[in-house]
Amino acid sequence: DVKVTQSSRYLVKRTGEKVFLECVQDMDHENMFWYRQDPGLGLRLIYFSYDVKMKEKGDIPEGYSVSREKKERFSLILESASTNQTSMYLCASSLWEDGYTFGSGTRLTVV
Amino acid sequence: AQTVTQSQPEMSVQEAETVTLSCTYDTSESDYYLFWYKQPPSRQMILVIRQEAYKQQNATENRFSVNFQKAAKSFSLKISDSQLGDAAMYFCAYNTDKLIFGTGTRLQVFP
Repeated sequence: DVKVTQSSRYLVKRTGEKVFLECVQDMDHENMFWYRQDPGLGLRLIYFSYDVKMKEKGDIPEGYSVSREKKERFSLILESASTNQTSMYLCASSLWEDGYTFGSGTRLTVV
Repeated sequence: AQTVTQSQPEMSVQEAETVTLSCTYDTSESDYYLFWYKQPPSRQMILVIRQEAYKQQNATENRFSVNFQKAAKSFSLKISDSQLGDAAMYFCAYNTDKLIFGTGTRLQVFP
């Protein structure tokens, strides 16, 4: 069964901390994505990557960066966490534009 | 820029009845994919149905079907014979090189 795994289901961090959200897929997919989900706003694209060491900004990249050193792993980094980054974060991967597989999400709380 | 609009924040339906969720989108592309995703309380995004824009025939998956009106840029989801397990957030999404989501519709199913 194909899988996208996010390392943490729940995370609590302090303001100013550097936070790493990890995502690993086992499907050999080229494309990986990070979204944040907020009530009433749906899912908004933060960053995406079409290949190793490649990254593209999505719609809301401010305050975030990403790393893709290996094909199967796509990390989202909050350089200095702030309370307005409290949210649900979803990772996804795809091979073609007709199918995406999502992880089960990380609910991050910044206090 | 491409946008996806879901104008119904909440909908409700009686078990065994039919409900239609609305979605409109804006794009200048001619070839793209449209999706409906279901997100139950488990947070896992589940693909409900997919439509390729160049196909005129509306997609169906068991009790789920779409009404795809390309000229009107409309993509509604019809759920027939609603079941308690259909209760969830439903997201409409548009894709060319990345997936863009609407704000979601919360569907309640009453026995």
